[in-house]
Amino acid sequence: DAGVTQSPTHLIKTRGQQVTLRCSPKSGHDTVSWYQQALGQGPQFIFQYYEEEERQRGNFPDRFSGHQFPNYSSELNVNALLLGDSALYLCASRGGRRPYNEQFFGPGTRLTVL
Amino acid sequence: GDSVTQMEGPVTLSEEAFLTINCTYTATGYPSLFWYVQYPGEGLQLLLKATKADDKGSNKGFEATYRKETTSFHLEKGSVQVSDSAVYFCALSDARGTSYGKLTFGQGTILTVHP
Repeated sequence: DAGVTQSPTHLIKTRGQQVTLRCSPKSGHDTVSWYQQALGQGPQFIFQYYEEEERQRGNFPDRFSGHQFPNYSSELNVNALLLGDSALYLCASRGGRRPYNEQFFGPGTRLTVL
Repeated sequence: GDSVTQMEGPVTLSEEAFLTINCTYTATGYPSLFWYVQYPGEGLQLLLKATKADDKGSNKGFEATYRKETTSFHLEKGSVQVSDSAVYFCALSDARGTSYGKLTFGQGTILTVHP
């Protein structure tokens, strides 16, 4: 079992550009969540996808959008990048109906905005 | 809204010392509580969890007890090792309402253990 995988590992963009990050959940998991972790901070919840729909959203602007595919993999898109978007972006997956089932995290994508 | 507060770090200990990392929370519902660990260059790993008041989570010598009366979930280990050096995050998930298991994290505590 490969666990949660994310790509790319690192990414460098300039202000105003757009970026797409990708996540493949752990086998058997159908729920994917995205978190932003700024340097020296705890992860902040961006949104969660289930059955290809955004089910819950954190306090992030509309520049942050996502998608979930029929195979449960997911993408995070960020438009009009700002310097403050530089962070580690973590994907987490979960299976089963209970919301407190363990979430498994991927290694993250390190985004640097110059 | 929900929030988690961890003790200020970083924490530096000698091998075999006792570890305590304080964590308190604010939540409107009945949260589940978690400790996650992040090793350098890696994602988060679940260390332990407790889903109701007075539950004790434990794993790899680490323990934490869900204290509803003090809204706390302090992490403890009797004898730390160099390999325990990492960043530790306290988190909560409100299983009720429309939270769907969203995790709210504390700011993290850096632990460094010296031989």
